[in-house]
Amino acid sequence: GEDVEQSLFLSVREGDSSVINCTYTDSSSTYLYWYKQEPGAGLQLLTYIFSNMDMKQDQRLTVLLNKKDKHLSLRIADTQTGDSAIYFCAERSLYGGSQGNLIFGKGTKLSVKP
Amino acid sequence: NAGVTQTPKFQVLKTGQSMTLQCAQDMNHEYMSWYRQDPGMGLRLIHYSVGAGITDQGEVPNGYNVSRSTTEDFPLRLLSAAPSQTSVYFCASSRQGFTTEAFFGQGTRLTVV
Repeated sequence: GEDVEQSLFLSVREGDSSVINCTYTDSSSTYLYWYKQEPGAGLQLLTYIFSNMDMKQDQRLTVLLNKKDKHLSLRIADTQTGDSAIYFCAERSLYGGSQGNLIFGKGTKLSVKP
Repeated sequence: NAGVTQTPKFQVLKTGQSMTLQCAQDMNHEYMSWYRQDPGMGLRLIHYSVGAGITDQGEVPNGYNVSRSTTEDFPLRLLSAAPSQTSVYFCASSRQGFTTEAFFGQGTRLTVV
């Protein structure tokens, strides 16, 4: 079945770059997503990438996709204290029991120290 | 534009009680789904719907029922609450299609004692 793996914690200093990594297993995944969850809030879409792309940049965010290794990363440049949150990697696949739904990783808690 | 609205925000139940978590969206989205979020477990899909009158099970459906009588509403029913159902529940909706963003409600924090 589908599975999405992430490391659980990341700590960086303000102004540094943060890199959050994710691996997935479903080779039929067409879209991969990064969501952000601030404390006590719902999930907010940050960015997504189509599986035939290898990079997408959006302001401070850079998404890299290695489809061969099924590895996705999110780089946040010039990380700020306001970036402290849980970041979820998610895939949306064509097949399987949850067809069309998002399959989430466990989330990476990013802590930004001043 | 309200987006996805979940009620209540907090709820405490006794073991064996039943209740319904409400979810409503005003964006005319076809897809709606329920997830539960537990520490260290991420979000797991409970049930989902691809349109009015159509529902299906996700990864962890046991102990929960859903119905989709209208496009706007997708209630989640706990039939007989158990402490293992203590969690934060999120409802999400999206248009059909893989490029579309899923919008999430603010969540319902449920405690079963």
